[in-house]
Amino acid sequence: AQTVTQSQPEMSVQEAETVTLSCTYDTSENNYYLFWYKQPPSRQMILVIRQEAYKQQNATENRFSVNFQKAAKSFSLKISDSQLGDTAMYFCAFMNGKTSGSRLTFGEGTQLTVNP
Amino acid sequence: EPEVTQTPSHQVTQMGQEVILRCVPISNHLYFYWYRQILGQKVEFLVSFYNNEISEKSEIFDDQFSVERPDGSNFTLKIRSTKLEDSAMYFCASSAGTPQPQHFGDGTRLSIL
Repeated sequence: AQTVTQSQPEMSVQEAETVTLSCTYDTSENNYYLFWYKQPPSRQMILVIRQEAYKQQNATENRFSVNFQKAAKSFSLKISDSQLGDTAMYFCAFMNGKTSGSRLTFGEGTQLTVNP
Repeated sequence: EPEVTQTPSHQVTQMGQEVILRCVPISNHLYFYWYRQILGQKVEFLVSFYNNEISEKSEIFDDQFSVERPDGSNFTLKIRSTKLEDSAMYFCASSAGTPQPQHFGDGTRLSIL
């Protein structure tokens, strides 16, 4: 079974600065996908970024980028130029790529607060 | 942009009653999911559904739970004989397939009294 661990329950950052959220995972699979989801106070679940395990290049979406270290099973999220609207709970998630319609396995989440 | 819609946004039910949570997935998606999030805890997988049958379910998804796609658009989660510990946010999600990302609805907050 896969596990996802986020060791930082809470983090804070000043507006316009950069912050990195950590995530590690454990799997014996070679074909998988990793995601970061954002959950603002409204409690929607919003996809932030996706990484395919077979790709060496780190995914980037505007101010959001990941540092994917496959050998270390680490998948951190970097938010540049933090904005007040980035305040949210961030969940790291794992999906097995072998089976169609695979479940997402989530970490415990990191509550990020962006301070003005 | 198409989105997953869930109704109701908040459901209050007496313990022991049955509740049905409704979802309309994105129209061209083929895979449907239910997750739940107990307040302050991580999001947990309940069940996935494809081609009119359950493709995977977690240990949480016992005989108390059932899912159905009664027509071409709705996807429902039924919880029979609700318990206090069923109080949670329930999220529906859909995807076009693997490895396409799962898109979530806004959730239904279920409160069992």
